[in-house]
Amino acid sequence: DTGVSQNPRHKITKRGQNVTFRCDPISEHNRLYWYRQTLGQGPEFLTYFQNEAQLEKSRLLSDRFSAERPKGSFSTLEIQRTEQGDSAMYLCASSPWTGRDTEAFFGQGTRLTVV
Amino acid sequence: AQTVTQSQPEMSVQEAETVTLSCTYDTSESDYYLFWYKQPPSRQMILVIRQEAYKQQNATENRFSVNFQKAAKSFSLKISDSQLGDAAMYFCASLMEYGNKLVFGAGTILRVKS
Repeated sequence: DTGVSQNPRHKITKRGQNVTFRCDPISEHNRLYWYRQTLGQGPEFLTYFQNEAQLEKSRLLSDRFSAERPKGSFSTLEIQRTEQGDSAMYLCASSPWTGRDTEAFFGQGTRLTVV
Repeated sequence: AQTVTQSQPEMSVQEAETVTLSCTYDTSESDYYLFWYKQPPSRQMILVIRQEAYKQQNATENRFSVNFQKAAKSFSLKISDSQLGDAAMYFCASLMEYGNKLVFGAGTILRVKS
């Protein structure tokens, strides 16, 4: 296993288009997280899954954002009707949650540019 | 709500020297975890070191150590014998016990001069 994988690495899209990102977590990690990182800032939490269940969503996640994790494996994050303010790095992380703190492993991120 | 503050946008250190990155946090929880993550340019974020709040002993990982002051809500990272490969963005982060998400500071860019 080579770690958390995110695709694509870069995405340029026109305003108003829909985009979808994919995250493949480390095998057997039951928790999967999405964060957004804008230039010069730390990552901000968007949402997380415990297996296939989406258990929490940040208020940063507007109605244009939707995330899924079918079968508790890979996850997708879709942004509809993209806006310039959506330009950011989208990070995925996974962890083998056992009820207490465990290390979160991050992917390399998908950099979205909305023009 | 938790908040994490990193007041140093950028730091520089000479190779082989020691540098300390600052972090303060705020939480109403008594049990929590604190982390330092390293994000090299165009590479994924990796965990450098972590500290459980209930442990009084400061965590150490090779050249990396922390100074955890619980009462002051301070969590600084010391990098000894700095190497060129240490150049990166460093993020301080907190996690409540049984919590669901990391809360990050804004980061500190560390530059290492040869």
